[in-house]
Formats: sequence, C-alpha cells, structure tokens
Amino acid sequence: DGGITQSPKYLFRKEGQNVTLSCEQNLNHDAMYWYRQDPGQGLRLIYYSQIVNDFQKGDIAEGYSVSREKKESFPLTVTSAQKNPTAFYLCASSGPGQHSSREQFFGPGTRLTVL
Amino acid sequence: KQEVTQIPAALSVPEGENLVLNCSFTDSAIYNLQWFRQDPGKGLTSLLLIQSSQREQTSGRLNASLDKSSGRSTLYIAASQPGDSATYLCAVRSNTGTASKLTFGTGTRLQVTL
Repeated sequence: DGGITQSPKYLFRKEGQNVTLSCEQNLNHDAMYWYRQDPGQGLRLIYYSQIVNDFQKGDIAEGYSVSREKKESFPLTVTSAQKNPTAFYLCASSGPGQHSSREQFFGPGTRLTVL
Repeated sequence: KQEVTQIPAALSVPEGENLVLNCSFTDSAIYNLQWFRQDPGKGLTSLLLIQSSQREQTSGRLNASLDKSSGRSTLYIAASQPGDSATYLCAVRSNTGTASKLTFGTGTRLQVTL
C-alpha cells in the first residue's frame, strides 16, 4: 500500500530534551512538508523540502530542524530551543513533477507532549 | 499575506440534510484550493482539489466550487450521513514562488445527528 507513515503516534518529552519525529513515504513524491496543529488554529508550516538534500524554513521554523538525505524520509527534530512544543505534528508529501497539481497527502500524525 | 477563513466554525445537522461549508481567502492569486477531512486525532484526508482555472470538482456526494475573483470556495455535501461527522479544512496554494505552500483555514467541525 502506498502512503505516508509517521512514528511514533504518541511522544513524551522532558524539558531540555531533543526528540525526533519520523516521516516516511513510498509515493515517490519529491516534496515533503512538516506542519504543526494547535487547537483552534490552522495548520502551520514548519519546514518543507522540494528535493533530496534541500529544505527551506516555513512560517514557524524556530526550535526545529530537519534533514532530507533520502527521497522517502524527512525526519523532524524538536529541539530544546522550541519553547512550546506540545502539539500535533503532521507530515505531508506532494508530487511528482514541477507542473503537477502538487496535491498534498498527509500522514496520521504524531502527538507530542512535554512533561 | 494570504489569509483563509472558514465559516461556520461548527455545524450540527440532522441526517439526510444537504449542507454547504464556506471558505474565503484574501488573495485571489492562487494556484489551487484543496478540501480536506480530519477525524479527531487523525491526519488529513484529501477530498477534492480545484485548480485555479476550474469552477468545480465533484466526488460522490461532495461538490466543491471555486470563485477565484471573489475569493470564495464552497464544499457542498449532499444527503449527509453520521459518518460525515468530522472537521473539514480548506487550504489554498498561492502561486507565488515555486514551493507548494498551503495556507489553511481553521476548519468547520461538522456533526451529523441521527
């Protein structure tokens, strides 16, 4: 089955810890995205990547880091510099092709809670 | 800066009713508009995507329309069912730059009652 997987489903972080959220896709999509969802707010873009070994900051990148070493994988690290990391994190992908509709497809999400 | 608004924030209807969800955006220079469904604690499921050159898209009981000049889109759900209960999100892809960056509304939470 083609799709996007995220792990873990639930993640608990202590103050001062870095944690990494996994996102994998087997849709052969070239672009991948990370969003954060908070109650009462729309999804906000953290980072996105158009191709392997390249990524750009979104609207709320501070306190987060990413890597894109493989087309299929786009892990997100929530660092200790992120002051309010408790949220629902969603990974998405789109593609292929520069002139495609770039319809975005989403994974099931990871709920991160700071203890 | 693109802003997306969805009204109403919540809606409760009896089963079988036809309903319309509204989405408005401030900058009409868009590439496409996408409607999503989100169940509690789950990811987003893409329902329909409308290109800027299109007026509407249909999938089963769902019909989405786009009026780019007025900055509006509607999602029409025919013969609603309890299984349609979810939050519906619209998102706009603006055609500035090369990235497929979406701006999301805050959603309409729909409850279909028996």
